[in-house]
Amino acid sequence: DGGITQSPKYLFRKEGQNVTLSCEQNLNHDAMYWYRQDPGQGLRLIYYSQIVNDFQKGDIAEGYSVSREKKESFPLTVTSAQKNPTAFYLCASIYRPGGGTEAFFGQGTRLTVV
Amino acid sequence: KNEVEQSPQNLTAQEGEFITINCSYSVGISALHWLQQHPGGGIVSLFMLSSGKKKHGRLIATINIQEKHSSLHITASHPRDSAVYICAVGFYGGSQGNLIFGKGTKLSVKP
Repeated sequence: DGGITQSPKYLFRKEGQNVTLSCEQNLNHDAMYWYRQDPGQGLRLIYYSQIVNDFQKGDIAEGYSVSREKKESFPLTVTSAQKNPTAFYLCASIYRPGGGTEAFFGQGTRLTVV
Repeated sequence: KNEVEQSPQNLTAQEGEFITINCSYSVGISALHWLQQHPGGGIVSLFMLSSGKKKHGRLIATINIQEKHSSLHITASHPRDSAVYICAVGFYGGSQGNLIFGKGTKLSVKP
């Protein structure tokens, strides 16, 4: 079955370390997105990519980096420059076949930095 | 700027009750999504709507494009329905696409 796979589901890291969250899709979608969720807030856009080898900053990109070397993969690196990295991270892909729209979601990764 | 408002923020119900969660948005959209998030768990996509109504088991989702409003109904609620329900609107212009999320409605169903 096609879908988006995020791994791991839970991740613990020490403060000051970079950490990379994985997002893989086998849907052949061009567009992929990373969102962050904090308690009591809606999910907010970190980065998105419309096509391989290209990506754009979202609303809260500071302290994060991404790459899109393959269509299937859009990893997110939380760098030591991110002041409050503990959060829930969600990956999504959006597809627009013939004027319609479909969005698919990963299960998310809950990152805790200690 | 597209805003997404959900109500109520918190909802407590007794098992068996009929539940309604509302979502309003401010500009035209391409699609609306309802998601479910269990405590400590991941996101599950429940529905995607662009018009009308969809039903899956005890869950029903409706959307009124003219009024920019959607509702998620749960019939015969059960404690296992306890979760955060999130509304997200797909805002797609030109070659770009994005999702704007509501803050979620926390539902607790008591036995």
